[in-house]
Amino acid sequence: GENVEQHPSTLSVQEGDSAVIKCTYSDSASNYFPWYKQELGKRPQLIIDIRSNVGEKKDQRIAVTLNKTAKHFSLHITETQPEDSAVYFCAASDGFNKFYFGSGTKLNVKP
Amino acid sequence: EAGVAQSPRYKIIEKRQSVAFWCNPISGHATLYWYQQILGQGPKLLIQFQNNGVVDDSQLPKDRFSAERLKGVDSTLKIQPAKLEDSAVYLCASSLRAQVLNSPLHFGNGTRLTVT
Repeated sequence: GENVEQHPSTLSVQEGDSAVIKCTYSDSASNYFPWYKQELGKRPQLIIDIRSNVGEKKDQRIAVTLNKTAKHFSLHITETQPEDSAVYFCAASDGFNKFYFGSGTKLNVKP
Repeated sequence: EAGVAQSPRYKIIEKRQSVAFWCNPISGHATLYWYQQILGQGPKLLIQFQNNGVVDDSQLPKDRFSAERLKGVDSTLKIQPAKLEDSAVYLCASSLRAQVLNSPLHFGNGTRLTVT
């Protein structure tokens, strides 16, 4: 089955700096890559996703890049704010039901 | 739209006891998932339903876990008997269609289970 690895496990940045979280996957059949944000005690919420026919997608301060050849994708958050502090999960799916999640990155944005 | 509803929010039981969790997906969502999220880890799929049929239960510990989705709407996940290592947050999620490319997962708030 698919194996999704996520790094780093914790990330601390100063407010206003950028944050980058990286994930790798093993199954070349994976073609859908969502990112979820989970605040303490709350449900994971989809923040951005990318499909395999796209190399990059941006939504305001959040962007995701995908390198299918190398089987890795990354989340980029620019101009970080304290409210960005949360655990971020990447996931990979073949688009037909099977989701595999990374182990999560705890992002701490220091004011 | 109303989100995925789960209950209870918290449950504390002793090992070897039984417990049940309930999930009501977003109206009209055909696909329902149960995930187990152990502290510090990503969600792990336990079982997936498409309407009232099981699509994938390969990671469900069937000797102690069971799940059903009668009538293709609400779902119940049961653990009997519980072990200490079952302590986790149990997340229910739903999606509009099985082809997630066009219908991402929507999660409930989860049930935090503590087994003592």
